Amino acid sequence: DTGVSQDPRHKITKRGQNVTFRCDPISEHNRLYWYRQTLGQGPEFLTYFQNEAQLEKSRLLSDRFSAERPKGSFSTLEIQRTEQGDSAMYLCASSPRLAGFDTQYFGPGTRLTVL
Amino acid sequence: RKEVEQDPGPFNVPEGATVAFNCTYSNSASQSFFWYRQDCRKEPKLLMSVYSSGNEDGRFTAQLNRASQYISLLIRDSKLSDSATYLCVVNRASGTYKYIFGTGTRLKVLA
Repeated sequence: DTGVSQDPRHKITKRGQNVTFRCDPISEHNRLYWYRQTLGQGPEFLTYFQNEAQLEKSRLLSDRFSAERPKGSFSTLEIQRTEQGDSAMYLCASSPRLAGFDTQYFGPGTRLTVL
Repeated sequence: RKEVEQDPGPFNVPEGATVAFNCTYSNSASQSFFWYRQDCRKEPKLLMSVYSSGNEDGRFTAQLNRASQYISLLIRDSKLSDSATYLCVVNRASGTYKYIFGTGTRLKVLA
């Protein structure tokens, strides 16, 4: 399977715990995005990488959220001291390096439930 | 005002009908426009990009109106399999890869 993969697919945690999600983009895609989606809403932009550089980060992201993309390959999204309001689907997407080709390919998402 | 606004629907239409959705955006500097389709509990998938001159892909036609800052999606001869949520996507501004998604419009095609 050469699509975007995410791990885990589901995560249940208690409030206050830290969680980390992983995203493996399509090989050679240089752009990688993280989004959050809640029921009845469209995906909400969290952050964006071009290769290993984090170029944009949403102001909605508090200091509890951090993302990395070491070596420009896979990416991790960490949420510290989780809150019930963090419960959502976390989607990762990647897009190719070709200029003007902005198609984003999404992974299946990680569904987070904070109890 | 939201940056990208869509009527959430649902739009309930019979098979074979023609249905149109509009999406308005607030940032006149936006340059890239897309329609994505999202099935229930699945990830979004690109349906089509929207070009300035308008474009068609089979039963689907997308239009861009920069003056009024909206894009549209027309679906002809609706199929049951077209039932999904259609997401309007706009980039924040030229030169940025930050994309803003609308809340989506739900379409139900009825037999």
